Amino acid sequence: AQSVTQLDSQVPVFEEAPVELRCNYSSSVSVYLFWYVQYPNQGLQLLLKYLSGSTLVKGINGFEAEFNKSQTSFHLRKPSVHISDTAEYFCAVSGITGGGNKLTFGTGTQLKVEL
Amino acid sequence: EAGVVQSPRYKIIEKKQPVAFWCNPISGHNTLYWYRQNLGQGPELLIRYENEEAVDDSQLPKDRFSAERLKGVDSTLKIQPAELGDSAVYLCASSVGMADEQFFGPGTRLTVL
Repeated sequence: AQSVTQLDSQVPVFEEAPVELRCNYSSSVSVYLFWYVQYPNQGLQLLLKYLSGSTLVKGINGFEAEFNKSQTSFHLRKPSVHISDTAEYFCAVSGITGGGNKLTFGTGTQLKVEL
Repeated sequence: EAGVVQSPRYKIIEKKQPVAFWCNPISGHNTLYWYRQNLGQGPELLIRYENEEAVDDSQLPKDRFSAERLKGVDSTLKIQPAELGDSAVYLCASSVGMADEQFFGPGTRLTVL
């Protein structure tokens, strides 16, 4: 079984400032890691994913995340946020067990970008 | 390319009433998922289909919830009878196969009064 912890429920930040959204996971098997974004009244959209290879993963909208196996973390970063980045961000993990892509989500972090 | 379509987008019902949600996945996607997202939480998987077969329904409350995916394309999730605690957003997602990226629909927001 796996679990995901997103310690920050809300992160306020000024426009053009950098931001980091934290995600830690636990799993007894190797994992795939994902970040999704959810805009109000919309479904989830995949930002980026780590499957294997380079631990620094670049995604859409200028976001990137770094997989740190020793710290079991997959923090999301953006060097300069825009007002349009205001949304809910979910970290998710999928255990590599041959049972398919069964996602376990964290509780989400609300990113609020202010002028 | 059309995305995952869900209807209705919003539904308000009295407790003990039945309700149904419909999902049409992206064309060619064999795997279909139903998730429930409670307020302030991440989505939780209810059931996963591979074509018309339910391959993981361990989290589906089978006393009141049922789902079907006839012909392996669109799917219906039903609750009968609904309880106050069923108020949530019900998300449908699809993927080409079980190990592929999941694409989510906009969800159905259910309010049980």
